[in-house]
Amino acid sequence: SQQGEEDPQALSIQEGENATMNCSYKTSINNLQWYRQNSGRGLVHLILIRSNEREKHSGRLRVTLDTSKKSSSLLITASRAADTASYFCATDDDNNDMRFGAGTRLTVKP
Amino acid sequence: DADVTQTPRNRITKTGKRIMLECSQTKGHDRMYWYRQDPGLGLRLIYYSFDVKDINKGEISDGYSVSRQAQAKFSLSLESAIPNQTALYFCATSDPKRGYEQYFGPGTRLTVT
Repeated sequence: SQQGEEDPQALSIQEGENATMNCSYKTSINNLQWYRQNSGRGLVHLILIRSNEREKHSGRLRVTLDTSKKSSSLLITASRAADTASYFCATDDDNNDMRFGAGTRLTVKP
Repeated sequence: DADVTQTPRNRITKTGKRIMLECSQTKGHDRMYWYRQDPGLGLRLIYYSFDVKDINKGEISDGYSVSRQAQAKFSLSLESAIPNQTALYFCATSDPKRGYEQYFGPGTRLTVT
């Protein structure tokens, strides 16, 4: 079974707008990561947030983590057409199990 | 050159055939993983290996086997392919000493008819 559940499944926005994607998970985790996948290609790591962190930034990316709600969000600011991709959250735990969510498909219209 | 390579990139095979997917990496990472991805779903872990002598089953190992021939090579075999093994297969590596991010290969698209 999948650990993470992304919401929404699909998101369509205009270039320049912000995109927010959410991830919920079920069990205790050590880390939560966000990955990006262009159509049919391998995943590319974007950012990792540890269970004792609440917020992290990387360029136009902002990730938050709420362990009490078992949820995380990924915010992409000032989106570009090149941000069009699927975004996945992934969690790992003490058993070294890495679990991915089903992903959010983001479309940024020029 | 790509750090994680997979061969073949595409494969069509018939039900009952044995097939091997290969993964090679030049990153020097000890940990390697095999995942499958089905349409509309995230990745599911098939097998993982923390070093040459350490092989572990993942979430969906039934119907698959693996071989870690060297630190740089990790192969996935389907002993008797069936149509519901049609999927996109990814190999990945990681080095926990440098962080927990995984580095993915380009994927192998497998179709079982």
